[in-house]
Amino acid sequence: QQPVQSPQAVILREGEDAVINCSSSKALYSVHWYRQKHGEAPVFLMILLKGGEQKGHEKISASFNEKKQQSSLYLTASQLSYSGTYFCGTEGGAQKLVFGQGTRLTINP
Amino acid sequence: DTAVSQTPKYLVTQMGNDKSIKCEQNLGHDTMYWYKQDSKKFLKIMFSYNNKELIINETVPNRFSPKSPDKAHLNLHINSLELGDSAVYFCASSQLAYYNEQFFGPGTRLTVL
Repeated sequence: QQPVQSPQAVILREGEDAVINCSSSKALYSVHWYRQKHGEAPVFLMILLKGGEQKGHEKISASFNEKKQQSSLYLTASQLSYSGTYFCGTEGGAQKLVFGQGTRLTINP
Repeated sequence: DTAVSQTPKYLVTQMGNDKSIKCEQNLGHDTMYWYKQDSKKFLKIMFSYNNKELIINETVPNRFSPKSPDKAHLNLHINSLELGDSAVYFCASSQLAYYNEQFFGPGTRLTVL
């Protein structure tokens, strides 16, 4: 089942913070975050694994609540380059990622 | 060097035609994927291969047939194209399996007229 992301869209001024949430109705083994700019391919940001291990870019932070099957991506001091659509992908034991519907982030100067 | 490459980048064709999309990765990964992204940006897995072996085959019409001649290549052949097949198709690869970073190709925008 597809995870649900919130909000669907957010507009920020440069320097502001944002939180993007991802919620699943299934037990999860891992949550993955990707960013996609318009007309480009999705690019990896972070993986959060059951048990607390994380892999990803140093400037990105995220959390994974295994009990609630929820993850949040934290974007602090946003830059213009952060603009794009953010996708969470969840993996619940079927060896595949199921992506959410995406959150469109717009950063204005 | 491009990590994951796809050809062609754009594909415009008539309904009923057969077309292929090619994908190659030079990262030494053993797992490759095909994803479909529709006009609403919904990104959905279609197939995955591990060392040339089909691992995941989602509920995709039989008109779609992937082929992996070796672990660096994964091609997608589509028969009898339909209007609903119009989308962007992404190839991706990762080391070992789903719990590692996936590297996506640039995508192939397929338009069926």
